Amino acid sequence: EVQLVESRGGLVKPGGSLRLSCAASGFTFSSYSMNWVRQAPGEGLEWVSSISGLSNYIYYADSMKGRFTISRDNAKNLVFLQMNNLRPEDTAVYYCARGQTYEYFDYWGQGTLVTVSS
Amino acid sequence: SYELTQPPSVSVSPGQTAKITCSGDALSNQYGYWYQQKPGQAPVLMIYKDNERPSGIPERFSGSGSGTTVTLTISGVQAEDEADYYCQSTDSSATYVIFGGGTKLTVL
Repeated sequence: EVQLVESRGGLVKPGGSLRLSCAASGFTFSSYSMNWVRQAPGEGLEWVSSISGLSNYIYYADSMKGRFTISRDNAKNLVFLQMNNLRPEDTAVYYCARGQTYEYFDYWGQGTLVTVSS
Repeated sequence: SYELTQPPSVSVSPGQTAKITCSGDALSNQYGYWYQQKPGQAPVLMIYKDNERPSGIPERFSGSGSGTTVTLTISGVQAEDEADYYCQSTDSSATYVIFGGGTKLTVL
Protein backbone atom coordinates (compact mmCIF):
# COMPACT_ATOMS: atom_id res chain seq x y z
CA GLU A 1 0.00 0.00 0.00
CA VAL A 2 1.39 3.38 -1.01
CA GLN A 3 1.75 5.74 1.94
CA LEU A 4 3.02 9.29 2.07
CA VAL A 5 3.39 10.95 5.47
CA GLU A 6 4.41 14.58 5.79
CA SER A 7 6.26 15.91 8.80
CA ARG A 8 4.53 18.30 11.13
CA GLY A 9 4.39 21.88 9.88
CA GLY A 10 4.02 24.71 12.28
CA LEU A 11 4.02 28.42 12.95
CA VAL A 12 6.88 30.44 11.46
CA LYS A 13 7.55 34.17 11.56
CA PRO A 14 7.79 36.10 8.29
CA GLY A 15 11.29 35.80 6.92
CA GLY A 16 11.82 32.52 8.73
CA SER A 17 12.61 29.07 7.41
CA LEU A 18 11.09 25.63 7.69
CA ARG A 19 11.99 22.23 6.29
CA LEU A 20 9.23 19.77 5.50
CA SER A 21 9.81 16.10 4.92
CA CYS A 22 7.67 13.35 3.47
CA ALA A 23 8.22 9.69 4.23
CA ALA A 24 7.21 7.31 1.47
CA SER A 25 6.51 3.59 1.63
CA GLY A 26 4.84 0.85 -0.37
CA PHE A 27 6.58 1.46 -3.69
CA THR A 28 10.02 1.67 -5.29
CA PHE A 29 10.73 5.24 -4.26
CA SER A 30 13.56 6.02 -6.67
CA SER A 31 11.40 5.08 -9.67
CA TYR A 32 9.00 7.96 -9.21
CA SER A 33 9.07 11.71 -9.28
CA MET A 34 7.96 13.36 -6.06
CA ASN A 35 6.13 16.62 -5.72
CA TRP A 36 4.84 19.26 -3.36
CA VAL A 37 1.46 20.91 -3.84
CA ARG A 38 0.00 23.49 -1.49
CA GLN A 39 -3.43 24.84 -0.67
CA ALA A 40 -3.98 28.14 1.10
CA PRO A 41 -6.94 28.25 3.50
CA GLY A 42 -10.17 28.26 1.50
CA GLU A 43 -8.31 28.34 -1.79
CA GLY A 44 -7.46 25.95 -4.61
CA LEU A 45 -4.51 23.71 -5.27
CA GLU A 46 -1.17 25.22 -6.27
CA TRP A 47 1.78 23.19 -7.55
CA VAL A 48 5.03 24.02 -5.73
CA SER A 49 7.83 21.80 -7.00
CA SER A 50 8.78 18.48 -8.57
CA ILE A 51 11.91 16.30 -8.42
CA SER A 52 12.71 13.32 -10.62
CA GLY A 53 13.54 9.90 -9.24
CA LEU A 54 17.29 10.40 -9.45
CA SER A 55 17.16 14.13 -8.66
CA ASN A 56 18.45 15.07 -12.11
CA TYR A 57 15.36 17.10 -12.99
CA ILE A 58 13.96 19.69 -10.60
CA TYR A 59 11.20 22.18 -11.29
CA TYR A 60 9.60 25.00 -9.33
CA ALA A 61 6.60 27.26 -9.67
CA ASP A 62 7.72 30.79 -10.44
CA SER A 63 6.61 32.22 -7.12
CA MET A 64 8.72 29.69 -5.22
CA LYS A 65 11.93 29.89 -7.25
CA GLY A 66 14.89 31.09 -5.21
CA ARG A 67 13.12 30.60 -1.87
CA PHE A 68 12.16 26.92 -1.87
CA THR A 69 14.43 23.94 -2.48
CA ILE A 70 13.25 20.40 -3.11
CA SER A 71 15.49 17.40 -2.50
CA ARG A 72 15.23 13.69 -1.82
CA ASP A 73 17.07 10.85 -0.11
CA ASN A 74 16.38 7.63 -1.97
CA ALA A 75 18.20 5.54 0.62
CA LYS A 76 15.69 6.68 3.25
CA ASN A 77 12.63 7.12 1.02
CA LEU A 78 12.33 10.76 1.96
CA VAL A 79 11.56 13.92 0.02
CA PHE A 80 12.16 17.36 1.48
CA LEU A 81 11.03 20.92 0.93
CA GLN A 82 13.29 23.59 2.38
CA MET A 83 11.38 26.87 2.59
CA ASN A 84 13.27 30.09 3.23
CA ASN A 85 12.26 33.73 3.51
CA LEU A 86 8.70 32.70 4.23
CA ARG A 87 5.88 35.14 3.65
CA PRO A 88 2.34 35.28 5.08
CA GLU A 89 1.06 34.24 1.66
CA ASP A 90 2.96 30.96 2.00
CA THR A 91 0.48 29.95 4.70
CA ALA A 92 -1.08 26.74 3.39
CA VAL A 93 -1.49 23.03 3.76
CA TYR A 94 1.46 21.43 2.00
CA TYR A 95 0.87 18.06 0.35
CA CYS A 96 3.46 15.57 -0.76
CA ALA A 97 2.39 13.67 -3.87
CA ARG A 98 3.81 10.86 -5.99
CA GLY A 99 4.19 11.78 -9.63
CA GLN A 100 3.52 9.86 -12.79
CA THR A 101 5.76 10.88 -15.70
CA TYR A 102 5.98 14.43 -14.30
CA GLU A 103 2.45 14.96 -15.51
CA TYR A 104 0.06 14.07 -12.70
CA PHE A 105 -0.16 12.87 -9.12
CA ASP A 106 -1.56 9.46 -8.27
CA TYR A 107 -1.03 9.34 -4.50
CA TRP A 108 -1.13 12.16 -1.97
CA GLY A 109 -0.17 12.54 1.66
CA GLN A 110 -2.63 13.95 4.18
CA GLY A 111 -0.93 17.32 4.19
CA THR A 112 0.70 19.49 6.82
CA LEU A 113 -0.24 23.03 7.78
CA VAL A 114 2.37 25.77 7.63
CA THR A 115 1.36 29.11 9.10
CA VAL A 116 3.49 32.20 8.51
CA SER A 117 2.57 34.91 10.93
CA SER A 118 4.18 37.25 13.41
CA SER B 1 1.26 31.88 -18.79
CA TYR B 2 -0.99 28.85 -18.83
CA GLU B 3 -4.37 28.93 -17.12
CA LEU B 4 -7.17 26.43 -16.67
CA THR B 5 -10.69 27.75 -16.21
CA GLN B 6 -13.43 25.88 -14.37
CA PRO B 7 -16.91 27.00 -13.31
CA PRO B 8 -16.87 27.86 -9.60
CA SER B 9 -19.91 25.74 -8.87
CA VAL B 10 -22.18 23.08 -10.33
CA SER B 11 -25.39 21.84 -8.74
CA VAL B 12 -27.22 18.64 -9.56
CA SER B 13 -29.95 16.47 -8.06
CA PRO B 14 -29.20 12.91 -6.95
CA GLY B 15 -29.33 10.46 -9.83
CA GLN B 16 -28.79 13.14 -12.45
CA THR B 17 -25.67 13.72 -14.54
CA ALA B 18 -23.11 16.37 -13.63
CA LYS B 19 -20.67 17.79 -16.15
CA ILE B 20 -17.71 19.91 -15.07
CA THR B 21 -15.68 21.61 -17.76
CA CYS B 22 -12.10 22.80 -17.77
CA SER B 23 -10.72 25.03 -20.51
CA GLY B 24 -7.25 26.23 -21.37
CA ASP B 25 -4.78 26.45 -24.21
CA ALA B 26 -2.52 23.85 -22.60
CA LEU B 27 -5.21 21.23 -23.16
CA SER B 28 -4.83 21.50 -26.93
CA ASN B 29 -1.70 19.33 -26.76
CA GLN B 30 -1.47 18.10 -23.17
CA TYR B 31 -3.67 15.69 -21.25
CA GLY B 32 -6.15 16.75 -18.59
CA TYR B 33 -6.43 15.18 -15.15
CA TRP B 34 -9.15 15.39 -12.49
CA TYR B 35 -8.99 15.27 -8.69
CA GLN B 36 -11.74 15.09 -6.11
CA GLN B 37 -11.25 16.75 -2.74
CA LYS B 38 -13.63 16.47 0.18
CA PRO B 39 -13.42 18.85 3.15
CA GLY B 40 -10.40 18.22 5.33
CA GLN B 41 -9.07 15.49 3.04
CA ALA B 42 -6.30 15.18 0.50
CA PRO B 43 -7.14 15.23 -3.21
CA VAL B 44 -7.84 11.92 -4.94
CA LEU B 45 -7.03 11.23 -8.59
CA MET B 46 -10.28 10.49 -10.44
CA ILE B 47 -9.34 10.68 -14.14
CA TYR B 48 -5.97 10.67 -15.89
CA LYS B 49 -4.96 11.23 -19.51
CA ASP B 50 -8.32 12.84 -20.31
CA ASN B 51 -10.44 9.71 -19.96
CA GLU B 52 -8.66 6.95 -18.04
CA ARG B 53 -10.03 5.91 -14.68
CA PRO B 54 -7.68 4.64 -11.93
CA SER B 55 -8.55 1.37 -10.28
CA GLY B 56 -11.03 1.80 -7.47
CA ILE B 57 -12.75 4.83 -8.97
CA PRO B 58 -16.46 4.18 -9.63
CA GLU B 59 -17.54 3.75 -13.24
CA ARG B 60 -19.95 6.66 -12.93
CA PHE B 61 -16.93 8.97 -13.23
CA SER B 62 -15.74 9.51 -16.78
CA GLY B 63 -13.70 12.04 -18.67
CA SER B 64 -13.45 13.38 -22.19
CA GLY B 65 -11.43 15.93 -24.07
CA SER B 66 -11.84 18.00 -27.21
CA GLY B 67 -9.69 20.86 -28.39
CA THR B 68 -8.91 23.11 -25.46
CA THR B 69 -11.54 21.65 -23.11
CA VAL B 70 -11.73 18.58 -20.94
CA THR B 71 -14.91 17.48 -19.19
CA LEU B 72 -15.54 15.40 -16.10
CA THR B 73 -18.89 13.62 -16.21
CA ILE B 74 -20.51 12.04 -13.18
CA SER B 75 -23.45 9.86 -14.15
CA GLY B 76 -26.06 9.03 -11.54
CA VAL B 77 -24.67 11.49 -9.01
CA GLN B 78 -24.72 10.34 -5.40
CA ALA B 79 -24.69 12.42 -2.24
CA GLU B 80 -21.16 11.22 -1.52
CA ASP B 81 -19.94 12.86 -4.74
CA GLU B 82 -20.40 16.31 -3.22
CA ALA B 83 -16.87 17.73 -3.20
CA ASP B 84 -14.49 20.12 -4.89
CA TYR B 85 -13.15 18.98 -8.24
CA TYR B 86 -9.90 20.26 -9.74
CA CYS B 87 -8.60 19.82 -13.25
CA GLN B 88 -4.87 19.79 -13.90
CA SER B 89 -2.52 19.79 -16.83
CA THR B 90 1.05 20.76 -17.71
CA ASP B 91 2.87 23.06 -20.07
CA SER B 92 4.04 21.55 -23.34
CA SER B 93 7.36 20.36 -21.90
CA ALA B 94 5.75 18.92 -18.73
CA THR B 95 7.97 21.08 -16.52
CA TYR B 96 5.21 23.26 -15.13
CA VAL B 97 2.03 21.95 -13.53
CA ILE B 98 -1.21 23.89 -13.73
CA PHE B 99 -4.39 23.47 -11.69
CA GLY B 100 -7.78 24.88 -12.45
CA GLY B 101 -9.44 27.00 -9.80
CA GLY B 102 -11.73 24.19 -8.72
CA THR B 103 -15.46 23.51 -9.00
CA LYS B 104 -17.67 22.91 -5.99
CA LEU B 105 -20.19 20.20 -6.82
CA THR B 106 -23.36 20.47 -4.76
CA VAL B 107 -25.80 17.58 -4.67
CA LEU B 108 -29.20 19.09 -4.04
